[in-house]
Amino acid sequence: SQQGEEDPQALSIQEGENATMNCSYKTSINNLQWYRQNSGRGLVHLILIRSNEREKHSGRLRVTLDTSKKSSSLLITASRAADTASYFCATDAGRYSTLTFGKGTMLLVSP
Amino acid sequence: DTGVSQDPRHKITKRGQNVTFRCDPISEHNRLYWYRQTLGQGPEFLTYFQNEAQLEKSRLLSDRFSAERPKGSFSTLEIQRTEQGDSAMYLCASSFRASEQFFGPGTRLTVL
Repeated sequence: SQQGEEDPQALSIQEGENATMNCSYKTSINNLQWYRQNSGRGLVHLILIRSNEREKHSGRLRVTLDTSKKSSSLLITASRAADTASYFCATDAGRYSTLTFGKGTMLLVSP
Repeated sequence: DTGVSQDPRHKITKRGQNVTFRCDPISEHNRLYWYRQTLGQGPEFLTYFQNEAQLEKSRLLSDRFSAERPKGSFSTLEIQRTEQGDSAMYLCASSFRASEQFFGPGTRLTVL
């Protein structure tokens, strides 16, 4: 079963604009991770935010976590065509840190 | 390159054949995970190793699937008597303790 649900399913923007993706989940978590996947390739780890953290930054990425609402958001600022990819949130909620992924948001950044 | 590697990258097989995939994790990582991803979906957990011990298996892992991690280094995932429904991308990930998981490029399996 998939715990995380990303919203929107697809997002199309112009280069230079900001992109915001949201993730909702159902159970208590240890941490939440965001990944990027280019078409047909493996996943690239972007950022991990722990359950006791509210916000984290990494370069042009900003992630927030609201455990009371069981939701997270990923903001990509000043987007580039190279940011075109699918973005997944994944929750770590179990004893062995197995990840549960959502279906992802497909981001298209046009030049 | 010191990332997670997987072999082969692509495998085409006929229904009923057996296939085996290999994953080489990042060398200092004691945790190894297998996931499966079908088109348009996020990855789904299959099984987890801590060192050489297989500690968790998903209900998705039918008895046709078996995984090993001898000596706590590389891991293999074997599918016996493949079915068309097994067609997917098989992803391996490794981590050190409970931290970020780093994924390999995946093995894309097509069962004809």
